[in-house]
Amino acid sequence: QVQLQESGPGLVKPSETLSLTCTVSGGSVTSYYWSWIRQPAGKGLEWIGRVYMSGSTDYNPSFKSRVSMSVDTSKNHFSLNLTSVTAADTAVYYCARTNWNYDYWGQGTLVTVSS
Amino acid sequence: QSALTQPRSVSGSPGQSVTISCTGTSSDVGGHNYVSWYQHHPGKAPKLIIYDVSKRPSGVPDRFSGSKSGNKASLTISGLQAEDEADYHCCSYAGSYNWVFGGGTKLTVL
Repeated sequence: QVQLQESGPGLVKPSETLSLTCTVSGGSVTSYYWSWIRQPAGKGLEWIGRVYMSGSTDYNPSFKSRVSMSVDTSKNHFSLNLTSVTAADTAVYYCARTNWNYDYWGQGTLVTVSS
Repeated sequence: QSALTQPRSVSGSPGQSVTISCTGTSSDVGGHNYVSWYQHHPGKAPKLIIYDVSKRPSGVPDRFSGSKSGNKASLTISGLQAEDEADYHCCSYAGSYNWVFGGGTKLTVL
């Protein structure tokens, strides 16, 4: 059974960079695309982007100038960096395995942007 | 891109059926057969319950069904059970390797 677990700081200061990692167990990051999705409190889910083991990425145009994603096959994890964060980036961040849908998800990690 | 439109909430009694709509445009829901639905109990990982408009992953009861007409997709849950109470999110491929989600619908089982 594939399992995903997000990790990273729960508090980030405005204008700084949000960095999260998703560790995959029960499967390999060398197959499939892997996505980041977030949910601000009281709102719907928002697709941020996806990454493949080759480093190939696709990003939501809303984030394109601030986001980067990467895969570390030696650690079987993938990562998200979101720069110049503001309070609007406060959300629960999820990682998910991606096909043309999202069949395995992490439980999510709350990231709060505040000074 | 704009989020897909879902009702904020729906409700039904045990044993009844409910349908949740997901309205998009010809660029997303209407233009591709990559609509998926997710069940989300608060504090847990979202669960894929429908993909490719109407297909069910292994282990998902056939009480859950999906369909699409034009720019609107629908999720129907028949024989409502207490454990179906959750948030439901639709998602559609929007072209150019981009995906869009709906605002989510809270299902209350009365």
